[in-house]
Amino acid sequence: EVQLVESGGGLVTPGGSLRLSCAASGFTFKNTWMSWVRQAPGKGLEWVGRIKSISDDGTTGYAAPVKDRFIISRDDSKDTVYLHMNSLKTEDTAVYYCTTDQTRSDVWGQGTLVTVSS
Amino acid sequence: DIQMTQSPSILSASLGDRVTITCRASQSLNGWLAWYQQKPGKAPKLLIYRVSNLEDGVPSRFSGSGSETDFTLTISSLQPDDLATYYCQQYLRYRTFGQGTKVEVK
Repeated sequence: EVQLVESGGGLVTPGGSLRLSCAASGFTFKNTWMSWVRQAPGKGLEWVGRIKSISDDGTTGYAAPVKDRFIISRDDSKDTVYLHMNSLKTEDTAVYYCTTDQTRSDVWGQGTLVTVSS
Repeated sequence: DIQMTQSPSILSASLGDRVTITCRASQSLNGWLAWYQQKPGKAPKLLIYRVSNLEDGVPSRFSGSGSETDFTLTISSLQPDDLATYYCQQYLRYRTFGQGTKVEVK
């Protein structure tokens, strides 16, 4: 079964850090570009960033609100992509989804909730 | 950055109605436009890719059209299962979503 499972969400204080994980199964992860998308409570979808496959140079790109604070990495030996979040702000509170970055038949995880609050 | 403007924000319609949602990009997308459906508490679901291509398993009452900067998602006959929020997304450069259109029953 093709699947993505996020983990690592929780409550963090402003200025803190958190690392989200997304474990993939059922497809060839190492050849797949991966993205993170978030959704603040009651709001729309917001693309966070993506990482290319290593064979396509493995580079990353980020949305302006998270650039220089968030880092996406991948471990193809574990079929896992990570979202390292630093200097967290209250406005980063959201459900974070990982998804395959592809034109069609994309796969989404169930999401993990990150709450930034004092 | 490419900006996506979607309208309307809320669409009230009767079951069986033809429903149209529009999306405008801040620059030409060369066809790199997709539509997603999202229901409360669920991950988004891809409906249409490359402007007008129906994802496998998506009912044929959904269709997409447009070019350059202006795009449309049409539901030919609104069904109960279609009550959801719809998003356009560009993927010419990275990705950007529209603000969303909530489709509800009038």
